[in-house]
Amino acid sequence: DAGITQSPRYKITETGRQVTLMCHQTWSHSYMFWYRQDLGHGLRLIYYSAAADITDKGEVPDGYVVSRSKTENFPLTLESATRSQTSVYFCASSGTGVSQPQHFGDGTRLSIL
Amino acid sequence: GESVGLHLPTLSVQEGDNSIINCAYSNSASDYFIWYKQESGKGPQFIIDIRSNMDKRQGQRVTVLLNKTVKHLSLQIAATQPGDSAVYFCAENWAMGGNMLTFGGGTRLMVKP
Repeated sequence: DAGITQSPRYKITETGRQVTLMCHQTWSHSYMFWYRQDLGHGLRLIYYSAAADITDKGEVPDGYVVSRSKTENFPLTLESATRSQTSVYFCASSGTGVSQPQHFGDGTRLSIL
Repeated sequence: GESVGLHLPTLSVQEGDNSIINCAYSNSASDYFIWYKQESGKGPQFIIDIRSNMDKRQGQRVTVLLNKTVKHLSLQIAATQPGDSAVYFCAENWAMGGNMLTFGGGTRLMVKP
């Protein structure tokens, strides 16, 4: 089925490890986004991408790396995980043009011990 | 970011009653607005959107009202059902901001059987 899928759904890792969260969408949407959702902060934008090979920082990019070699994939990497990066991570996508809603995946719950 | 989770405002309604969830948006230049529903353990789900050239839009059991004068948005849910229990939040976009959304903090809707 068409949609946006994130993997893994749950991940536990240790501080200092590298971890990659995957996001795949089948709509051929130009825009893709990564958010983190924490108690007390709501949804905060980490990185976004307007098209393949075009990425830009959001509100909280430090400690994260993204790439977009293909339109449908937008992986998020934590290069050296820290406990403060324990969160629920959501990927979203939207089409090009004005007034486009973002459509979200079901998230990855990441715990860093 | 806005506060969510423990500090979420909560609306408690009886099953079958109508619900009204309110949102004050921040940018007078915003011209596109979206309501999302987020159930526990899931990603935000698009419910309905409205452009700034409208003041009302109806969907299935939902109506969004926009008052640009006071920068206020509301979501009305008719005949509220237990399945409507979730966190609801609004998002705003302005054309010059590209496809970026600014999210409100959310309201938790609890439906009593």
